[in-house]
Amino acid sequence: QQPVQSPQAVILREGEDAVINCSSSKALYSVHWYRQKHGEAPVFLMILLKGGEQKGHEKISASFNEKKQQSSLYLTASQLSYSGTYFCGIPNAGGTSYGKLTFGQGTILTVHP
Amino acid sequence: DGGITQSPKYLFRKEGQNVTLSCEQNLNHDAMYWYRQDPGQGLRLIYYSQIVNDFQKGDIAEGYSVSREKKESFPLTVTSAQKNPTAFYLCASRVGDRVVNEQFFGPGTRLTVL
Repeated sequence: QQPVQSPQAVILREGEDAVINCSSSKALYSVHWYRQKHGEAPVFLMILLKGGEQKGHEKISASFNEKKQQSSLYLTASQLSYSGTYFCGIPNAGGTSYGKLTFGQGTILTVHP
Repeated sequence: DGGITQSPKYLFRKEGQNVTLSCEQNLNHDAMYWYRQDPGQGLRLIYYSQIVNDFQKGDIAEGYSVSREKKESFPLTVTSAQKNPTAFYLCASRVGDRVVNEQFFGPGTRLTVL
C-alpha cells in the first residue's frame, strides 16, 4: 500500500524550517527519504530505522510517531538547494517482496531567497 | 567513477512499436529496479531483480518486459501492449536486498510516444 505524504507542497524562505510527513496504514520498520530535483534522478537523503537510528544526511533528521505509523522529516534552516520534491519509501518485508520499496506521492518543497 | 547509466536520455517512439531502455551499473549491486514516473506523481515500480536470471513483477508490470542476463545490466522493453507509455523511466540499484541499504538511481530516460 502506498504511503501518504503531507503536505503536498510547502513554500519557505531561506532559513525557515519545514516538516514533511509520511503515513502508513501499518507500523513502519524503516523509512527511506529521497529528494528529486526537476528532471533529475532522486537522490538518497536518509534511512530511518525502527530503533530510531538514522543513516544518511547530517543536516536532515527524521523520527517516528508513537505508533510508528508515521515518519516525519525535519528540514531545519532551509537553504535554496533544499528545493525539490521529497519522497518517502517504505519497504515491503517478507517473501518475494523483500527489499521492494513503495514510494509516496511526493511533497514539493520550494525555498525562496 | 561508479554509477548507473541509462540510455538514451530522450526517446521518441511511434505507436505500436516496441522500444528497449538501457540500464547499466558498475556498482556491483545485486538488486536492480525499474520505476515509472508521471508528471506530479510518485515512483511506481515496474519490475525488479534481486539476482541474475531472476526478476519479479512490480505494481505496474503490464505492457513491460525485462531481462537480467548479467549482473550489470537490466534492460526494460516497453511493448506495444503498454497503453500509455509516455513517462519518465528511472532505473535504480541497491547493494544486496536489505531494507537498510539505500537505492541509487540512474539519470532517467524520458519516453514520448508520438
